[in-house]
Parts: sequence; structure tokens; C-alpha cells
Amino acid sequence: EDQVTQSPEALRLQEGESSSLNCSYTVSGLRGLFWYRQDPGKGPEFLFTLYSAGEEKEKERLKATLTKKESFLHITAPKPEDSATYLCAVQGNYGGSQGNLIFGKGTKLSVKP
Amino acid sequence: ETGVTQTPRHLVMGMTNKKSLKCEQHLGHNAMYWYKQSAKKPLELMFVYNFKEQTENNSVPSRFSPECPNSSHLFLHLHTLQPEDSALYLCASSQGLVGAFFGQGTRLTVV
Repeated sequence: EDQVTQSPEALRLQEGESSSLNCSYTVSGLRGLFWYRQDPGKGPEFLFTLYSAGEEKEKERLKATLTKKESFLHITAPKPEDSATYLCAVQGNYGGSQGNLIFGKGTKLSVKP
Repeated sequence: ETGVTQTPRHLVMGMTNKKSLKCEQHLGHNAMYWYKQSAKKPLELMFVYNFKEQTENNSVPSRFSPECPNSSHLFLHLHTLQPEDSALYLCASSQGLVGAFFGQGTRLTVV
């Protein structure tokens, strides 16, 4: 069964304290892995798409990496405004639909000043 | 502004009411989706439309009825809902394998 597991469930950091979020997945042929940021009461905001093992993407203080079994979202010198829930999703080689994303439960990140 | 607009943002309805959620995308995408997000659960895919044709119905109860009149608009018609249907309902759109773009959601409370 295809699934996505994110860890930790919650992470508290001090401002400037770098860390990583983990997304482990099992999927029948990975077509893409996606990272989203979600603020309370709002829809997920698209961050990155990764397609193959070894690929890396960066945006400001965020860097996403991908292996054959997991993805990491590295946060360098975080600021309070980085506080949010980070969601990971995968899309596999099944069905004809483009949007059959399987989501993890997310990691809630809190960055204290 | 995400390019995907949902209305209303908040909705409170009784179990005997009928209401509709609306979604409009301004991105020129050909696929649209409804997701349900409940507390402490992963996002659940409900319906998928590709080029206005429904291609996925993820075992959703018939009290939820989607409608896609064109590739830019998507509706979710609600009737005789249950309190456990209270959740954040999210609309998304996509074009190819570049990731789905979400609206801000409708917070639904069933009383």
C-alpha cells in the first residue's frame, strides 16, 4: 500500500537553529514528490517538486532533497515566519489522473525568536 | 493570491440544509480536485476532474455531489451532512506533473 510518513510530528526550534524534516514514502513507481507549506486556516502553498533520487531544490532558507526511500526538507537558520505545517506528498504510477497525491500528516514547525 | 479561489471561506450549516462550495481557477489548468482536511489526518482526495470529466471518486458518500461545468469552475454540492463532515474543504488545480495548486479552503461546520 502506498503511504507517506512524516517525522517528527512537531518540531520546536530557536531562531537560527537549523534542522531537517523527514518524509519517508512507499509508492508503486514514483512520478513526483511534493513539499507544501500550510499556515493555520489556509490552503497548502506549493514549495517544491522532486522527480528522481539525488535531485535537490532550494528556496530561500529551505532545501529539499530526495532519495529512493525518503525526502528531507532542510531549514537553515530559520526565522519565526517559517513557522507552519510542512506537508509532503507523493504521486505514483497508477491511474490516469494527474492529481492522485498521497499526503503525509505533516510536521508542525514552530520557530521561537 | 494563489490563482485558485474558493467561496465561501466559512460555512455553518444544519444537517438538513443544502449548500454548495465554489472553486474557480485562473491558471489555465486542465485538472481540478476536491480534498478534505480533518484535524490530525492527512489530506484526503475526494474527487478529480480532467477536462471536465470526473476521473476519480474516492468512495465519497453520496451526500457530497461534485459538478464541473467547465475547466475553470468546480462545485461541491452538500446535502444532509453529518457533524463528522465538518472539516476544511480544499480545491486544487494542476497541469501536468508540476504539483497541484490549492485554494484557501472552506471551513465547514455541520451543526
